[in-house]
Amino acid sequence: VQLEESGGGLVHRGGSLRLSCTTSGFTFSNYAMHWVRQAPGKGLEWVSDISVSGDTSNYADSVKGRFTISRDNSKKTLFLQMNSLRAEDTAIYYCAKESPWEVSYVDSWGQGTLVTVTS
Amino acid sequence: DIQMTQSPSSLSASVGDRVTITCRASQGINTYLAWFQQKPGKAPKSLIYAASNLQSGAPSKFSGSGSGTDFTLTIRDLQPEDFATYYCQQYSSYPLTFGGGTKVEMK
Repeated sequence: VQLEESGGGLVHRGGSLRLSCTTSGFTFSNYAMHWVRQAPGKGLEWVSDISVSGDTSNYADSVKGRFTISRDNSKKTLFLQMNSLRAEDTAIYYCAKESPWEVSYVDSWGQGTLVTVTS
Repeated sequence: DIQMTQSPSSLSASVGDRVTITCRASQGINTYLAWFQQKPGKAPKSLIYAASNLQSGAPSKFSGSGSGTDFTLTIRDLQPEDFATYYCQQYSSYPLTFGGGTKVEMK
């Protein structure tokens, strides 16, 4: 299982960024996927998840209405569109694959991509 | 939201020790609890799911127990590679929530 995030970088407050997570080593279209983030020096925070087909998603209250998770099963890629970014969105963003036998439990993680929101 | 409280927030231990970390949920979560290990500068690794099931590939020195609101992660025979931060997470209901982490340091 390989998960590789990209798209992070420096963005101004109020700006937008789109993260991608390219995958390999498993049948992407069979697994729900998640985004989890970690602010510098802080703990883990779950951000969002999306169902296999992409028709169902859930969000943390802190990002609801600003972030949108999506997926392209044909390209085995997960996305996170982040709008109206705030300083508190500064974090490493990890994509994670859900377990095939335990709903909502993530069993594999990418290495993360850093998002820095500046004022 | 379900709050997850880990204790202690940090602990010092020696190689060969057995350590126990506690995680408490603010409401019952059955056994919908996972444990993760994270080393500095690295992504988390999944260790335990459903409170007591070992993730494939995770060493058998890690064990978990509990149900309802109180859970524990036990690490036996602590080795240098086990010094890390450990997080619990409930996946019983949205939003999924993590504990604040327990840093296991070398004494």
